[in-house]
Amino acid sequence: DVKVTQSSRYLVKRTGEKVFLECVQDMDHENMFWYRQDPGLGLRLIYFSYDVKMKEKGDIPEGYSVSREKKERFSLILESASTNQTSMYLCASGTPGRSEAFFGQGTRLTVV
Amino acid sequence: AQSVTQPDIHITVSEGASLELRCNYSYGATPYLFWYVQSPGQGLQLLLKYFSGDTLVQGIKGFEAEFKRSQSSFNLRKPSVHWSDAAEYFCAVGSGGSYIPTFGRGTSLIVHP
Repeated sequence: DVKVTQSSRYLVKRTGEKVFLECVQDMDHENMFWYRQDPGLGLRLIYFSYDVKMKEKGDIPEGYSVSREKKERFSLILESASTNQTSMYLCASGTPGRSEAFFGQGTRLTVV
Repeated sequence: AQSVTQPDIHITVSEGASLELRCNYSYGATPYLFWYVQSPGQGLQLLLKYFSGDTLVQGIKGFEAEFKRSQSSFNLRKPSVHWSDAAEYFCAVGSGGSYIPTFGRGTSLIVHP
């Protein structure tokens, strides 16, 4: 089975902190994604990566950056956390040409 | 651009009743279609997927979905709902040329005993 692991289930951070959300997949997938999930808004794509060191902005990249130094790891960075970034963050991986995504368990981030 | 509409924000059914969750998509070519389920506080789990072939697709947990090209729909069904099916359900569309699936906003399923 594909396993996508997010480093934390719950995080509480202070406004202005730099926050790192880590995601690791064990299926050698080329594609990795970061989504944000908010009630009534569904899943919104923040960034995706189709190869090591390659990244593309999604629908809501403002206030976020990403890093993919190794194929299995995709990190989401909040440069200066704000309260409006309180949300559920979902990482996913997949193979090119299939559009199929395998999800981690999610990280519930609260910024106070 | 591809898009997905899930017209129902909430659906309430009684345990043992049948279920149908609606999904309509917009895409120019033959789409890849998916249904995911999300239990509270969890990530998304793939229920079933359609790439090609038989338009009636069987998935896990007793779910099935039918691809109807003429209606641009991919509705999810279950003949008898269990209390453990209460969750959020997401429909998604993708393609062979796209890296990224597009998700609907989700339908919340409430199951009454």
